Amino acid sequence: EAGVVQSPRYKIIEKKQPVAFWCNPISGHNTLYWYRQNLGQGPELLIRYENEEAVDDSQLPKDRFSAERLKGVDSTLKIQPAELGDSAVYLCASSLGFDEQFFGPGTRLTVL
Amino acid sequence: DAKTTQPNSMESNEEEPVHLPCNHSTISGTDYIHWYRQLPSQGPEYVIHGLTSNVNNRMASLAIAEDRKSSTLILHRATLRDAAVYYCILPLYGQNFVFGPGTRLSVLP
Repeated sequence: EAGVVQSPRYKIIEKKQPVAFWCNPISGHNTLYWYRQNLGQGPELLIRYENEEAVDDSQLPKDRFSAERLKGVDSTLKIQPAELGDSAVYLCASSLGFDEQFFGPGTRLTVL
Repeated sequence: DAKTTQPNSMESNEEEPVHLPCNHSTISGTDYIHWYRQLPSQGPEYVIHGLTSNVNNRMASLAIAEDRKSSTLILHRATLRDAAVYYCILPLYGQNFVFGPGTRLSVLP
């Protein structure tokens, strides 16, 4: 069974440019999470979806970050415009309800 | 919200048992204790979770104190592949994970 798929794996952009990350969760998983992980720290939850509904986006910086999960399957996280401090690894995870979360390999973003 | 406290780092010799402690003194009666680990350059992966009783699976054992204010993840025979950051997590609202910095485990050959 395929795990959580994320693309791209790496992205380098200049500040003020837009960037988008894509996540395809495990088939059948209704819950999808986006996390941000800064160097040397644990992941920080940005947003959680139940099917297509964002049920917790309290930690998402809404001035520049947006996310969508149309049709309740795959999801896109966007940053526009990117800032230097956005350099981090962006992780996507999925779960079936409250069961264990399965994480993707992440997208490493570098903002120059 | 319940918080967890873990040592920043620990070291073990290969093929020896490892006991990774976690304090969670503000845990509520319905909080499950979850452990995940993160290997280098990978996303976190599930290790084990429990509520009150000790739990065992193929990866590890989880020993939960009687008052539930602390728990210990036990790796019975550490291998080089077990070198990772281990996170002890008490989910908010039953589902949202708040990751701390975790414990970085080094395994010496």
